[in-house]
Amino acid sequence: DTGVSQDPRHKITKRGQNVTFRCDPISEHNRLYWYRQTLGQGPEFLTYFQNEAQLEKSRLLSDRFSAERPKGSFSTLEIQRTEQGDSAMYLCASSQGTGIDNEQFFGPGTRLTVL
Amino acid sequence: SQQGEEDPQALSIQEGENATMNCSYKTSINNLQWYRQNSGRGLVHLILIRSNEREKHSGRLRVTLDTSKKSSSLLITASRAADTASYFCATDTLAGGFKTIFGAGTRLFVKA
Repeated sequence: DTGVSQDPRHKITKRGQNVTFRCDPISEHNRLYWYRQTLGQGPEFLTYFQNEAQLEKSRLLSDRFSAERPKGSFSTLEIQRTEQGDSAMYLCASSQGTGIDNEQFFGPGTRLTVL
Repeated sequence: SQQGEEDPQALSIQEGENATMNCSYKTSINNLQWYRQNSGRGLVHLILIRSNEREKHSGRLRVTLDTSKKSSSLLITASRAADTASYFCATDTLAGGFKTIFGAGTRLFVKA
């Protein structure tokens, strides 16, 4: 399967701990996105990379959140000093191209539970 | 905050009936997309319509876009139980920087 993969699929942590999630996009895709989704809501945009450059960050992304995409391949999303409000599904997506058509392929998500 | 607003929030129909879902948005867009999400397969892209297009078809799906009203509709014809899922519209906008904004979704339940 050459789709978008995310690891881990589930993460339970205690408040105040740091967590890191990984996303491996479809290999030829140059764009990578992170979203957060809570129950009953649509995905909320967090950040976006074109190759290794982080081009957009949502105001939702507080100083506790950081994302990287070294070498324009896989990406990591780190949350420092987790809070209970960070509990959500974190989704990664990738797409190909530089134009305005932007079909995104989503991974299965990482479900974070902060106790 | 979410830009897209789907209507209705939930829809329950019989197999074989058509399902129509609507989406409204607030700012100018480059394109609008519809996605489906169920527990088995996650978020799946269904169809993309550009801002200069008015209607698009893909199999049993028909999407319309009215940029003057900032609205779109998704029609699923001859629905099947397997169409049971949440459907989201998503808009790509350059307003305030590039981002994709999803609505809260319509939950469709197709009864066999």
